[in-house]
This record gives sequence, structure tokens and C-alpha cells, in this order.
Amino acid sequence: DQQVKQNSPSLSVQEGRISILNCDYTNSMFDYFLWYKKYPAEGPTFLISISSIKDKNEDGRFTVFLNKSAKHLSLHIVPSQPGDSAVYFCAATGYGGSQGNLIFGKGTKLSVKP
Amino acid sequence: EAGVTQFPSHSVIEKGQTVTLRCDPISGHDNLYWYRRVMGKEIKFLLHFVKESKQDESGMPNNRFLAERTGGTYSTLKVQPAELEDSGVYFCASSQDHTYGYTFGSGTRLTVV
Repeated sequence: DQQVKQNSPSLSVQEGRISILNCDYTNSMFDYFLWYKKYPAEGPTFLISISSIKDKNEDGRFTVFLNKSAKHLSLHIVPSQPGDSAVYFCAATGYGGSQGNLIFGKGTKLSVKP
Repeated sequence: EAGVTQFPSHSVIEKGQTVTLRCDPISGHDNLYWYRRVMGKEIKFLLHFVKESKQDESGMPNNRFLAERTGGTYSTLKVQPAELEDSGVYFCASSQDHTYGYTFGSGTRLTVV
């Protein structure tokens, strides 16, 4: 049974607009969440993370929001750029980010059109 | 700084054969991880080394998979004998401490025919 779910396999957005990628999790023991970005033929690249003690973390154009009660997190990219086109993976772990393995979702393919 | 290097980038083998994947982590990174992505599915954890010791191997699918990290530097993942369901992309990642901003390698795409 999947513990981290990304229900949208793909998302298409116009350049300059906001991209919102969603992720749901089922395990209430998860307390640290991450987003990775992956281009074809490359490994995933760490993008941004958030601890469960926070509800928002921002880094430039990227913001991650966490709603613990709903077991839901989202990644906002504003403004979206064509270079953001990639597969985005949500991941979670249950050790405060200090140990243990990552549980990944299946990914959402983002296409940003010029 | 060189990134995480994986070799080979692609491997096509027949069912029943043996394949060895190699990962060279970033120099100085004590933590080394193996993950696997079967086509269309999520990236799944296989195991975690701290230096030469296996910290967590709970994700290893079965005893056909053997991972080693002699001397705490590079790591190998051997599949013997390979089965069709072993096909996928095998990623290696490393980190300096116990944080999750792993640096991943580009992966080895394994196809078992």
C-alpha cells in the first residue's frame, strides 16, 4: 500500500503562471518531507524540504506547504519557467530528517509551456 | 566537486545472468544509499551504508541482491541470478551527514531479457 501518493501523473502550466503540485501521505509517523526534481536520464535533485513543526518553507520561486491534519503537502512554483519542466517527486521520512530511508511518491510530470 | 558516479549507465542482460552495478559517492560522504525505480512506479529504498557498515538493508528485495562497500568508499550492488522483475533504474545517492538533501547519481538502467 502506497504511503506517499501523488495522484496527478502530469500537469501542464503556462510560463509565468503558478504550478501547484500535490502530495498526500497516510503514515502519521512521517515528520519530514522533501521534494525532488528529476530530468530525463538524470538522478533526482533535492529541491526543498519541510519539517512537520512548520507549515510553510520558502526558497526563491519554490514554496512547500504542509497541512498535517489533512496529511497533505503541496509545492508551489511561482513564476513557472520552461526549465522547470521535469518530474517532481514527493518524499517523506519519519525520523525528523536525520535517519531512516525516504518513501517516495510516483511523481508528477510538470510541463511548462512558453 | 565530482558528483555521485554510477557505472554502467545501461546494462542489458539475460535472465539468469549476473550483473554488478557500481557507485562512487562524493568523496568524504560517509552515507551511501541504493534506491530502485521500476518503470512507472515510485522510487524505492534498498539499503543504506554508513562507511562500510550496512545501517539499514530493509529494502533489499531478496537474497539475489548483494551490496558491498569495502573500505567505505565505492559500493557495488550485485544481482545474481537476475530475474525479469529486476529491470528498472538503480540509483545511488550519498550524503555527508544524516540529512536528506541526498545527491543522487544518474542511475543505472538495468534491463533483464
